[in-house]
Amino acid sequence: DGGITQSPKYLFRKEGQNVTLSCEQNLNHDAMYWYRQDPGQGLRLIYYSQIVNDFQKGDIAEGYSVSREKKESFPLTVTSAQKNPTAFYLCASSRDRSNTGELFFGEGSRLTVL
Amino acid sequence: AQKITQTQPGMFVQEKEAVTLDCTYDTSDQSYGLFWYKQPSSGEMIFLIYQGSYDEQNATEGRYSLNFQKARKSANLVISASQLGDSAMYFCAMREGWNTGKLIFGQGTTLQVKP
Repeated sequence: DGGITQSPKYLFRKEGQNVTLSCEQNLNHDAMYWYRQDPGQGLRLIYYSQIVNDFQKGDIAEGYSVSREKKESFPLTVTSAQKNPTAFYLCASSRDRSNTGELFFGEGSRLTVL
Repeated sequence: AQKITQTQPGMFVQEKEAVTLDCTYDTSDQSYGLFWYKQPSSGEMIFLIYQGSYDEQNATEGRYSLNFQKARKSANLVISASQLGDSAMYFCAMREGWNTGKLIFGQGTTLQVKP
């Protein structure tokens, strides 16, 4: 089945460590996105990429980094510079030239800093 | 700046009744899109319904309809015949710009359906 796969589902990290969240899609979508969700809050955009080898910062990019070497993959690294990394992270993709711009989401990765 | 406001942190509805979840938005763009997503406790985001700013008719998808009032900048979600499985968090979102998936989300409304 086509969809977006995020891994790991749950992740624990010690302060000062970098951690990478995986996002893979087989929908043949051009654009991919990373959102962060804090408890009881809406989603905020971290980074997005509309084409391979290109990406742009979203509203809360500080302390995060991404790469887009393949169309199918858009990993997110949470660096030690991110002050409050404990959150739920959602990866999404969308079709290029879509009438609606609807996002298709993965099941999310929950990161807890100990 | 574009903004989405959901003023109802939590709502209750009796099973089989209809419920309206409020959403207001602010934008200076003439072309925009409005979305509603459902987030169950498992965490995934499920697309429910879409309304384009130039669509003259309110969008409908099964039991979901979007009450779009452009002059008032509101895009309320109406769920008819509520089911227990409708219990979830609901997010209103607006597309930022044309032909892009960049969405701005509201803070969400938690809906609980009572048997």
